[in-house]
Amino acid sequence: AQTVTQSQPEMSVQEAETVTLSCTYDTSESDYYLFWYKQPPSRQMILVIRQEAYKQQNATENRFSVNFQKAAKSFSLKISDSQLGDAAMYFCAYRFNFGNEKLTFGTGTRLTIIP
Amino acid sequence: NAGVTQTPKFQVLKTGQSMTLQCAQDMNHNSMYWYRQDPGMGLRLIYYSASEGTTDKGEVPNGYNVSRLNKREFSLRLESAAPSQTSVYFCASSEALHQVETQYFGPGTRLLVL
Repeated sequence: AQTVTQSQPEMSVQEAETVTLSCTYDTSESDYYLFWYKQPPSRQMILVIRQEAYKQQNATENRFSVNFQKAAKSFSLKISDSQLGDAAMYFCAYRFNFGNEKLTFGTGTRLTIIP
Repeated sequence: NAGVTQTPKFQVLKTGQSMTLQCAQDMNHNSMYWYRQDPGMGLRLIYYSASEGTTDKGEVPNGYNVSRLNKREFSLRLESAAPSQTSVYFCASSEALHQVETQYFGPGTRLLVL
């Protein structure tokens, strides 16, 4: 079974600085997707960024980028120029790219932005 | 568009009571889901509905039932609530089954079972 591990329950960063959130996963598959979701205090889940395993290039979305290390099964999220609105719970998620496979979520990292 | 809406936002139940959590989406999505979120654990899938008229069990279905009332609405029922069901419940929808790129979550329902 696939597992997703986020080893940092909480992180904090100074406003305008850069922070990296860690995620590792375990799978025997080669074709899959990885995702980072943001859950602000409103509790609504928002998709931040996704990475397709067969693509070597790391995904980027504005201030958000990932460091995808397929051999190491590592998928970290880098947030540049941190803003107060980035404060949220961040979840890493995995999905095997076959049929109707469901999402597997990590336990989350709570990010605090220090003004 | 409202996206995915859930009611109620917060509910307190006594052990043994029943209740139904409501979810509706206005994006014409085919698939809908119910997740629960507990401290120190990732989101876990309770039930899902691939399309109108179908429902299937997820990882943690025990103690729950669901109804896909129509394409828009997907309700979650607790027949006899237990303290272990204290959690935050999220409804989600997507265009196709488990299609994460189009998956939208609702704001959540916080349930406390005493």
